[in-house]
Amino acid sequence: ETGVTQSPTHLIKTRGQQVTLRCSSQSGHNTVSWYQQALGQGPQFIFQYYREEENGRGNFPPRFSGLQFPNYSSELNVNALELDDSALYLCASSFWGAYEQYFGPGTRLTVT
Amino acid sequence: RKEVEQDPGPFNVPEGATVAFNCTYSNSASQSFFWYRQDCRKEPKLLMSVYSSGNEDGRFTAQLNRASQYISLLIRDSKLSDSATYLCHSGTSYGKLTFGQGTILTVHP
Repeated sequence: ETGVTQSPTHLIKTRGQQVTLRCSSQSGHNTVSWYQQALGQGPQFIFQYYREEENGRGNFPPRFSGLQFPNYSSELNVNALELDDSALYLCASSFWGAYEQYFGPGTRLTVT
Repeated sequence: RKEVEQDPGPFNVPEGATVAFNCTYSNSASQSFFWYRQDCRKEPKLLMSVYSSGNEDGRFTAQLNRASQYISLLIRDSKLSDSATYLCHSGTSYGKLTFGQGTILTVHP
């Protein structure tokens, strides 16, 4: 069984730039959720994808967008990066209808 | 008010101690609850599910109190390896998933 993978591991971007983060779900899982985790905080839900559509969204602006592909992998895109976007971005996969989240190792984004 | 709240700690306990964490939730429609463990600079890992009837796994016991809207995690006979951040998680509906800010536990010799 293959676990959740994410790429890249680390990323440094400049304010105003755009970034794309990638996630491959665990074998058999069809739902992907993205979280932002700032230092010392719990993961904040960004959105969830199922059947290539956004299924739910947290309190994040539209410059945070995503995609899910037919193989259930997913991308998180962030436009017009701000300094406060610096965080660990976590992808989690699950079966549709299940709440348990299985996380990838995360992408650490630094915006300067 | 945050939807899911935890005491951030830190909790510093000696090996062998019993320690308990609580997590309160504000949305009465919350349906599922879990505890996760997160080691420093790592991803959260599912520790256990939480049910009204309670859930025990070795030294760990989780409990849900719907009337008071909180969940708890009890760790008995603490080990050094239990040192981590413990996150509670609630699922309100498909696509609405909320974590607490985490409780830091340090177990010392």
